[in-house]
Amino acid sequence: DTAVSQTPKYLVTQMGNDKSIKCEQNLGHDTMYWYKQDSKKFLKIMFSYNNKELIINETVPNRFSPKSPDKAHLNLHINSLELGDSAVYFCASSRFRGNRLRNTIYFGEGSWLTVV
Amino acid sequence: GEDVEQSLFLSVREGDSSVINCTYTDSSSTYLYWYKQEPGAGLQLLTYIFSNMDMKQDQRLTVLLNKKDKHLSLRIADTQTGDSAIYFCAATGGSQGNLIFGKGTKLSVKP
Repeated sequence: DTAVSQTPKYLVTQMGNDKSIKCEQNLGHDTMYWYKQDSKKFLKIMFSYNNKELIINETVPNRFSPKSPDKAHLNLHINSLELGDSAVYFCASSRFRGNRLRNTIYFGEGSWLTVV
Repeated sequence: GEDVEQSLFLSVREGDSSVINCTYTDSSSTYLYWYKQEPGAGLQLLTYIFSNMDMKQDQRLTVLLNKKDKHLSLRIADTQTGDSAIYFCAATGGSQGNLIFGKGTKLSVKP
């Protein structure tokens, strides 16, 4: 039983298209995240939601829009895809928000997006 | 904000010990983590250490924390070829206490 699952795992699409990546967690966590890993393997947070409320919104083009219909789901929609959007996108979740207790973050398997 | 640094590459021979080092800047980080990423795979939580601990051992893994110097290390004893991966150090930081990752250390294990 996968704790954090995201789909699709691989996505190849043309520039200018709009695409979505879906994420679901069955851990009962309150907080979910989207991280981006670029071609050099650098990981950077994009967004975080806590109980459907946006709490982190890093400097990301507004072509990227997260949507959290409930606390178990956090989807990422990307409009007008560009070549530079090619990366691996990781969904993650944690029980709490913030720097408290042992707030371990659990990651999904990643979605490999290639824009051609 | 938090900044996490680690060297990018490490090469060892099978059977040797590997030591991957990491430094961080935010002294208020309460937990520090090591994640492993195998080629083409996601991030797997390896271990973590609470900031009031100096050392944590878990089978072949030993984590050492020097809080004064803000230095964290991961030692892998008897390194195997299956340990070849990228190892990410991460510290709690950021405006909402989210994880800040280092750039990852690529460990290559030669037979």
